[in-house]
Amino acid sequence: DVKVTQSSRYLVKRTGEKVFLECVQDMDHENMFWYRQDPGLGLRLIYFSYDVKMKEKGDIPEGYSVSREKKERFSLILESASTNQTSMYLCASSSTGLRGIQYFGAGTRLSVL
Amino acid sequence: DAKTTQPNSMESNEEEPVHLPCNHSTISGTDYIHWYRQLPSQGPEYVIHGLTSNVNNRMASLAIAEDRKSSTLILHRATLRDAAVYYCIPNIIQGAQKLVFGQGTRLTINP
Repeated sequence: DVKVTQSSRYLVKRTGEKVFLECVQDMDHENMFWYRQDPGLGLRLIYFSYDVKMKEKGDIPEGYSVSREKKERFSLILESASTNQTSMYLCASSSTGLRGIQYFGAGTRLSVL
Repeated sequence: DAKTTQPNSMESNEEEPVHLPCNHSTISGTDYIHWYRQLPSQGPEYVIHGLTSNVNNRMASLAIAEDRKSSTLILHRATLRDAAVYYCIPNIIQGAQKLVFGQGTRLTINP
């Protein structure tokens, strides 16, 4: 089975802190994604990557950056956390050869105080 | 992105079939129809997808209208574990394509 692992289920940070959310997949997938999920707004794409060191902005990249130094790992960085970044963050991966099926991690619930 | 319309919520009884409808009248010819579901406190999980023909897998069946403007996800015998939010997502399957999640249908299963 494909496994997408997010480093934390729950995280509490203070306004202004730099926050790292880590995601690791074990299926050698080329593509990785970061979404956030908020009540009433659904899932929204923040950034995605289709190869090591490659990244593309999604629909809401402001206030975030990403890093993909190794194929299996995709990190989401909040440079200076703000309260409006309190959300559920979901990582996903997919293989170009698997007809677009994305596999999701369990999510990280981030609270910024 | 194709727009989808799904009922906000549906309710069914355990061990009965469930038909979850989705309208996607603006779907393009190259979009596959994907269904995902999200169980409580978990990330979404893939259920099934299809292009034109009806599809079956161990989780569910997908019935696609001949004009492709609507589809129905069929759970043949619902269990309590099937209680989730179900999302219908038109999506092309090439490259790193984002999934556009709408509000989905919240399915409640009664024992």
